[in-house]
Amino acid sequence: DADVTQTPRNRITKTGKRIMLECSQTKGHDRMYWYRQDPGLGLRLIYYSFDVKDINKGEISDGYSVSRQAQAKFSLSLESAIPNQTALYFCATSVYGSGYTFGSGTRLTVV
Amino acid sequence: ILNVEQSPQSLHVQEGDSTNFTCSFPSSNFYALHWYRWETAKSPEALFVMTLNGDEKKKGRISATLNTKEGYSYLYIKGSQPEDSATYLCASFPQGSNYQLIWGAGTKLIIKP
Repeated sequence: DADVTQTPRNRITKTGKRIMLECSQTKGHDRMYWYRQDPGLGLRLIYYSFDVKDINKGEISDGYSVSRQAQAKFSLSLESAIPNQTALYFCATSVYGSGYTFGSGTRLTVV
Repeated sequence: ILNVEQSPQSLHVQEGDSTNFTCSFPSSNFYALHWYRWETAKSPEALFVMTLNGDEKKKGRISATLNTKEGYSYLYIKGSQPEDSATYLCASFPQGSNYQLIWGAGTKLIIKP
């Protein structure tokens, strides 16, 4: 089993729909992150969490929300999806000073 | 947010040749520099986390150096193999950034057999 699991792997949704992307990890890491990747751009941070009670906005949090349900689970929601949220979304985990462990990604298409 | 620049954007290398590429990052408030390897249809995988000026790290045929005073890091691949084909990402971890990584856009390496 993967250390960081994202579901779904692929999703097509309509404009205006609410959608949730889920992430769970077995690494025991306290820090979790949601990133999006668009062609030609670097990874951009949406939200991050250093523990269950700590949620922080990243560079591009508008239009997104998150929930840290447990140390191992961190979900990302798009409240009302729009086409420019079409992207590849990654969940990642880390501990202080370590490299990040990434999930396999969720490819989201908003039509 | 200050930018992390990677060059070249893409690179074609003959199998067996050695190659290197660059990551430039803001030298002020430096804390750490990360390198990742990202194969197509997979997720980024951590290669190195570097913190000390002059540091050099090695993993098999891949190595990296770090110059924090001038703000650059080199990634070297010796004797390139087809399995080295991937996008190589670097990310800077400045002090006072709430510990957020600032990512470069990557160097896409294609090894020609």
